[in-house]
Amino acid sequence: DGGITQSPKYLFRKEGQNVTLSCEQNLNHDAMYWYRQDPGQGLRLIYYSQIVNDFQKGDIAEGYSVSREKKESFPLTVTSAQKNPTAFYLCASSQNGNTEAFFGQGTRLTVV
Amino acid sequence: AQSVAQPEDQVNVAEGNPLTVKCTYSVSGNPYLFWYVQYPNRGLQFLLKYITGDNLVKGSYGFEAEFNKSQTSFHLKKPSALVSDSALYFCAVLYSGAGSYQLTFGKGTKLSVIP
Repeated sequence: DGGITQSPKYLFRKEGQNVTLSCEQNLNHDAMYWYRQDPGQGLRLIYYSQIVNDFQKGDIAEGYSVSREKKESFPLTVTSAQKNPTAFYLCASSQNGNTEAFFGQGTRLTVV
Repeated sequence: AQSVAQPEDQVNVAEGNPLTVKCTYSVSGNPYLFWYVQYPNRGLQFLLKYITGDNLVKGSYGFEAEFNKSQTSFHLKKPSALVSDSALYFCAVLYSGAGSYQLTFGKGTKLSVIP
């Protein structure tokens, strides 16, 4: 099946720990995105990447880091510097950035 | 900078009645506009898009949207609502600048279809 796979679906993190969320796509899309969703705030862009080995900060990049070493993979690391990491994280991809984006099923991160 | 406004946090409609979910946008240049739907604890599903051409755009599950340039609006509509349409709906605008593209979302509108 073609699509975007996010893992894990649920993730628990202790305060002070870094954690990495996985996002893989087999759609051969060039562009990939990470969004954070909080109740009542819609989706906010964390990082995006138009091509391999290149990425840009979105609106709320502080406390997060990404890499884009392969076209199909765009992992997101939530670092200990992120003060309020509990949220629903969504990964998306689009063919070349100027078309509709397709989303994974999300990862719900909870800090315990 | 681009922005999207969804003025209603929640819309309630009776099953079988027409529904409208409102969206207005602000972007420089020609807008690329999208509607997505989200069911609980799931990702977003693409419904429809406006790039250019006919102002009335038809999409998935019987939804359509009307692009109005003078009112900078892109309202989502459906002639007859189903209970299964109950979900969270997001409007989005695509912005291009400095050789990159960003998709900006509204805050979402919760649609409840009452049996």
